[in-house]
Amino acid sequence: AQKVTQAQTEISVVEKEDVTLDCVYETRDTTYYLFWYKQPPSGELVFLIRRNSFDEQNEISGRYSWNFQKSTSSFNFTITASQVVDSAVYFCALSEFRGSEKLVFGKGTKLTVNP
Amino acid sequence: NAGVTQTPKFRILKIGQSMTLQCTQDMNHNYMYWYRQDPGMGLKLIYYSVGAGITDKGEVPNGYNVSRSTTEDFPLRLELAAPSQTSVYFCASGFGGGNQPQHFGDGTRLSIL
Repeated sequence: AQKVTQAQTEISVVEKEDVTLDCVYETRDTTYYLFWYKQPPSGELVFLIRRNSFDEQNEISGRYSWNFQKSTSSFNFTITASQVVDSAVYFCALSEFRGSEKLVFGKGTKLTVNP
Repeated sequence: NAGVTQTPKFRILKIGQSMTLQCTQDMNHNYMYWYRQDPGMGLKLIYYSVGAGITDKGEVPNGYNVSRSTTEDFPLRLELAAPSQTSVYFCASGFGGGNQPQHFGDGTRLSIL
């Protein structure tokens, strides 16, 4: 069965600090997809990134970067020079190729960036 | 584009009442989903649909029903509301295939008292 663990329930940082959100997943499938979503205080869910199991390249998008390591079943998310607007709950999620209609979410990490 | 639209945004129900949460999407997505989000928890899949006329249970389907008569609409029905169904409900849609992101509505906050 697939499972996503976000061990950090809450993180609090001061603006301009770097912060890494951890995500560890479990799956028996060799083909799978990983996602990060952001849920700001307003409550909507915003898609940030998708990564498939064949592509272990790290990705950088502005202040955001993602580190995918199959050897440790991790897909960590780093925010560089954090800003107050980054305050949100961040969810890591997994879908398997054979159960492709099902997205399994971690419990989320609440990030608070203080000015 | 409106994307995924959910109505209502907020609702308070009494125990035993019934209601339908509406969801419509204008992106021509085949796949649609209903999730619930409880405090401190991630989202859990209630029901999903891979196309008009086809629905299937997710992880937590008890107490809910769905139908999918059109590509655009995927209503979620609560029969005999119970306090345990107090939650935030999200509808999502996507092209499926596992590697496609799901696009979410803004959620419906439902309280059962």
